Amino acid sequence: DAGVIQSPRHEVTEMGQEVTLRCKPISGHDYLFWYRQTMMRGLELLIYFNNNVPIDDSGMPEDRFSAKMPNASFSTLKIQPSEPRDSAVYFCASRGLADTDTQYFGPGTRLTVL
Amino acid sequence: GQNIDQPTEMTATEGAIVQINCTYQTSGFNGLFWYQQHAGEAPTFLSYNVLDGLEEKGRFSSFLSRSKGYSYLLLKELQMKDSASYLCAVRDQDKLSFGAGTTVTVRA
Repeated sequence: DAGVIQSPRHEVTEMGQEVTLRCKPISGHDYLFWYRQTMMRGLELLIYFNNNVPIDDSGMPEDRFSAKMPNASFSTLKIQPSEPRDSAVYFCASRGLADTDTQYFGPGTRLTVL
Repeated sequence: GQNIDQPTEMTATEGAIVQINCTYQTSGFNGLFWYQQHAGEAPTFLSYNVLDGLEEKGRFSSFLSRSKGYSYLLLKELQMKDSASYLCAVRDQDKLSFGAGTTVTVRA
């Protein structure tokens, strides 16, 4: 299995630009999670989906952030407009019911907003 | 709310044993996970406890006491490659809340 796939691996953009991060979960997994990791705040859950439906978006910092999951094999996290404080590593993770509830993380996208 | 505490840093010698403690106060509890994260990489699953007691997986063991809100991760026969951050995470229904992580440095 290829594991969770994320793209791009690195993104450098200027303040005010739109940023789109992409994730492909492990095939057959029905849960997908988006996290953000910073030195100051650690690893934080932003939003998660079950069977492509957003279940809890209480961790999304503000309206500039949005996430979609149009099908079981693809999800996006969009920031519009981006700000320097959004600079972080964004991880996608997926989980299937047969894995003792373990979440498997993708390699992450390192975002730098100048 | 969720409150998960673990030490910031620990240093140990190659071949030794290190114990990383984690205490938690959370609104709900459906299990406790330990993840390992090497610098610049993604967290990877190490262990999962949902009942009280010790779970052993090779050189790594994890213990849970639900009544005390306490867990530890025991790393035996330390190797240089064990130098990493170790994250304690509490599951509440489908959500994981992570501690800040403990950076373990293994010295020769």
